[in-house]
Amino acid sequence: GESVGLHLPTLSVQEGDNSIINCAYSNSASDYFIWYKQESGKGPQFIIDIRSNMDKRQGQRVTVLLNKTVKHLSLQIAATQPGDSAVYFCAGFIGSARQLTFGSGTQLTVLP
Amino acid sequence: NAGVTQTPKFQVLKTGQSMTLQCAQDMNHEYMSWYRQDPGMGLRLIHYSVGAGITDQGEVPNGYNVSRSTTEDFPLRLLSAAPSQTSVYFCASSYDGPLDEQYFGPGTRLTVT
Repeated sequence: GESVGLHLPTLSVQEGDNSIINCAYSNSASDYFIWYKQESGKGPQFIIDIRSNMDKRQGQRVTVLLNKTVKHLSLQIAATQPGDSAVYFCAGFIGSARQLTFGSGTQLTVLP
Repeated sequence: NAGVTQTPKFQVLKTGQSMTLQCAQDMNHEYMSWYRQDPGMGLRLIHYSVGAGITDQGEVPNGYNVSRSTTEDFPLRLLSAAPSQTSVYFCASSYDGPLDEQYFGPGTRLTVT
């Protein structure tokens, strides 16, 4: 079936280093992807999105890369800060279902 | 703006009890949705609404009812609570639909014993 998932459940990085969080999807018809950040005890917060007609999109300290050939996307966070510690979800829009499908999340821990 | 608000923050129910989780937004958003989040899993869509008077089922609708009598409010009703409904519930809204930036509420942590 259609699915969106994440490669690693946890990721630890040193403060100041770059973080790369990966996500894979199974449905080539997915045409829109979003990355969310969820801090402990809070609801998810939109970070950045990308449509399937793009390979790359940049925001403030974040970049999302989309590789449709291997059905993979990644979120890169530059100069990771302690405030970046959170669970990061990718979500894909499955056109036939007309709803977002969320991955299981990666817990990012920033080490001092 | 208060954004998306949810009440209560925490709730404990006994099996078979019913209750309503409240969700409200003051951003004049047309699209509202309910998700549940279980440990180690992503969010799963329960029900959604594209405007007042219009609701539809998501991925996991069984055991839940919704209604949308106003643009602002989108309550989620548990008809007869079961332990499998123990979860954290999030309400979200966006101006135009699931492809528009969704704003999430703080969540309701529900435990069914």
